[in-house]
Amino acid sequence: DIVMTQSPDSLAVSLGERATINCRSSQSVLYSFNNKNYLAWYQQKPGQPPKLLIYWASTRESGVPDRFSGSGSGTNFTLTISSLQAEDVAVYYCQQYYDTPPTFGRGTKLQIK
Amino acid sequence: QVQLQQWGAGLLKPSETLSLTCAVYGGSFSGFSWTWIRQPPGKEMEWIGEISDSGSANYNPSLKGRVTISIDTAKNQFSLNLNSVTAADMAVYYCARKVYGGMFYWNYWGQGTLVTVSS
Repeated sequence: DIVMTQSPDSLAVSLGERATINCRSSQSVLYSFNNKNYLAWYQQKPGQPPKLLIYWASTRESGVPDRFSGSGSGTNFTLTISSLQAEDVAVYYCQQYYDTPPTFGRGTKLQIK
Repeated sequence: QVQLQQWGAGLLKPSETLSLTCAVYGGSFSGFSWTWIRQPPGKEMEWIGEISDSGSANYNPSLKGRVTISIDTAKNQFSLNLNSVTAADMAVYYCARKVYGGMFYWNYWGQGTLVTVSS
């Protein structure tokens, strides 16, 4: 199975500041035939299911604010929140869908400083 | 708007069978694959398996032999059975719908069911 490693485990950022979460896969999730990275990001608030934020590493799901962006390729990926809002407090997960079974990172807990 | 509503027993004894059902409201049931994912406390989420609207199922090899996913297209429901549960099966279990086109990520989720295994 592909192992997804996120860093940091937790992060505290001031309101209005940038938050950056990293994700590394144990093997490349870039499919050469279509040049797409098979990587998604989710946001999970307490007591709620995960919410899809980004797929194909950088495509925002419909309705997701544009302060959320994804970047990276191959084995290294980043989720960036450009200007942290109070409602962004949550745990964020990366997930690869390049190979079966799909696998998730352990999550990064984002809090307000 | 697509909604997934799940239910099932939340407290099991070791060796019992976990049974959960997920009902889908709104949107189309056919043309999609339907998934079960679990989230053990303090661990990564784990894909359990999925079933297509035609009834073809795929399972995580880590659980193969203990898991069965079934579908009832007449009721727009699908179900999870996991037998011989142990403490390692304690988790929040989610049902979810794969995005259109079949890629393994999910944009609709059930509310989650906490399953505890205790004698």
